[in-house]
Amino acid sequence: QKEVEQNSGPLSVPEGAIASLNCTYSDRGSQSFFWYRQYSGKSPELIMFIYSNGDKEDGRFTAQLNKASQYVSLLIRDSQPSDSATYLCAVNMITGGGNKLTFGTGTQLKVEL
Amino acid sequence: KAGVTQTPRYLIKTRGQQVTLSCSPISGHRSVSWYQQTPGQGLQFLFEYFSETQRNKGNFPGRFSGRQFSNSRSEMNVSTLELGDSALYLCASSLQGTVGEKLFFGSGTQLSVL
Repeated sequence: QKEVEQNSGPLSVPEGAIASLNCTYSDRGSQSFFWYRQYSGKSPELIMFIYSNGDKEDGRFTAQLNKASQYVSLLIRDSQPSDSATYLCAVNMITGGGNKLTFGTGTQLKVEL
Repeated sequence: KAGVTQTPRYLIKTRGQQVTLSCSPISGHRSVSWYQQTPGQGLQFLFEYFSETQRNKGNFPGRFSGRQFSNSRSEMNVSTLELGDSALYLCASSLQGTVGEKLFFGSGTQLSVL
């Protein structure tokens, strides 16, 4: 079992729809969870972080965390073509120590006109 | 505020050579981490430095090493390059490197080993 798992996609959604990206992690003691967006040929850009169970909203983005199910998700409302990118889930696992992040391999999102 | 700066942007080397990559963190950030990104493995943690000390290390061979200077700038060195070392090397900085802190990435150095 991978430490952080994501469906590689591609996930295709029409413009204006809600995109739902999912991530599961193996370390039950993990405390911090991050979503990065990476455009092709660019470096990862932090878009959301969440530490507590529940939902956290920032503009069109909502991060959801369920520690009991070891599951974190990212919802993108009113998806735009500019949202087309790879979305990386990253987890700060207790076993790693310090600020080491363990990344999933990413989900490719395509927003179609 | 300037972001994380990595140099060079691109590098082409041959097997057996060594390479040094440089990273300047965001001003005021004292923790610098290095990651390797490949299409097959994704982003993998190499090591993290704080106050010139390596605090954490990933599962990479000893050919991969790094250091941090008193101004928080960091360098990463790879000796005896292998074809499999071809990757995007990303540097990230954070304030103190404590659990849960946000990491900010540089643009990366694309290394090609021929």
